[in-house]
Amino acid sequence: DVKVTQSSRYLVKRTGEKVFLECVQDMDHENMFWYRQDPGLGLRLIYFSYDVKMKEKGDIPEGYSVSREKKERFSLILESASTNQTSMYLCASSLSHSPHTEAFFGQGTRLTVV
Amino acid sequence: GQQVMQIPQYQHVQEGEDFTTYCNSSTTLSNIQWYKQRPGGHPVFLIQLVKSGEVKKQKRLTFQFGEAKRNSSLHITATQTTDVGTYFCAGQTSYDKVIFGPGTSLSVIP
Repeated sequence: DVKVTQSSRYLVKRTGEKVFLECVQDMDHENMFWYRQDPGLGLRLIYFSYDVKMKEKGDIPEGYSVSREKKERFSLILESASTNQTSMYLCASSLSHSPHTEAFFGQGTRLTVV
Repeated sequence: GQQVMQIPQYQHVQEGEDFTTYCNSSTTLSNIQWYKQRPGGHPVFLIQLVKSGEVKKQKRLTFQFGEAKRNSSLHITATQTTDVGTYFCAGQTSYDKVIFGPGTSLSVIP
């Protein structure tokens, strides 16, 4: 069974802290994505990766960075957390991006920055 | 920029009533996907439409892709409480990018 696992369901961090959100998939998918979900705004793409060591900016990359050292793992980094980064963060993976195939999502990490 | 919109934002229906959500893109799409997110859950893939004018059915759910490939709809016949959740469309643009709509949140009153 397909699985995308995010390291935490809930996180509370202080303003200015460096925050790491980890995501692992066990499907040997090439593509991985990080989204944030806010009420009324849907899912907004932060960063994505189509291959190991490859990363591309999404629609809202400011304040974030990512790392993909291994195919199965895609990490989202908040360099200096701010209160406006309080949100639900969703990781996803997919087999193909041309065309895009079904995306499998992790359970989400609800991050609160205080 | 390229946008995908959905209406309505919220819909409350009596159990047994029908429900429709509409998805509209500012640009032509190569394909469109639909996802369902239950309260407290994560988005789960429902279906992908590729061809102009395509119609697909999954039990009580009917999905349509417009002739111009710029709009899509999801219709649920005779809603049940298990249909509660937020329905997202996600359109793939010609630039190989997937854009999610803001979602339609469905409540079903028993």
